[in-house]
Amino acid sequence: DQQVKQNSPSLSVQEGRISILNCDYTNSMFDYFLWYKKYPAEGPTFLISISSIKDKNEDGRFTVFLNKSAKHLSLHIVPSQPGDSAVYFCAASRLSSGSARQLTFGSGTQLTVLP
Amino acid sequence: KAGVTQTPRYLIKTRGQQVTLSCSPISGHRSVSWYQQTPGQGLQFLFEYFSETQRNKGNFPGRFSGRQFSNSRSEMNVSTLELGDSALYLCASSLGGGAKYFGPGTRLTVT
Repeated sequence: DQQVKQNSPSLSVQEGRISILNCDYTNSMFDYFLWYKKYPAEGPTFLISISSIKDKNEDGRFTVFLNKSAKHLSLHIVPSQPGDSAVYFCAASRLSSGSARQLTFGSGTQLTVLP
Repeated sequence: KAGVTQTPRYLIKTRGQQVTLSCSPISGHRSVSWYQQTPGQGLQFLFEYFSETQRNKGNFPGRFSGRQFSNSRSEMNVSTLELGDSALYLCASSLGGGAKYFGPGTRLTVT
């Protein structure tokens, strides 16, 4: 049962344009969402997060939008740069017993930014 | 501030052996989580430790275990290795929980 889904395995975008990466979730108990960027043979690098009490969070070129009613979040990268080429994972978490949180990851989207 | 460090970075083991992986979190972080990444299953949660106590566990067999020391360093152990345990094992640390900052991972190959 895939609770977090990234339906696009890959995305190609021209340098300077906007990249939009999408993520859907099914568990309404998720209350905190994160986006990571990952290069091969490296650990994921945290990019940006959003709490379920917000619908938008910005950090430089990165903006995350959360639509709770649709159980959908998206990451916008503007403008896209060749160095942004990587696999992007969205992750969702919820509070469980003992203040514990675990991340449930999507399957990732390979973003390629073409010069 | 130094990031999350993991040792060793690469490891080759034989089926049936056991392995221990180490993770040093960011200074001051008390939560350490472990994840397994494989091409078929993606990134999956193994367990989380907070102040030396296992606080949460994923759906992995008992062959996978871990511990956390008083300095927040953590070790993960896999006994009786199987071919399917070949993966990138990632450790993440955070202040209170929820894995935010990941280490570079340990690439385990079981032959």
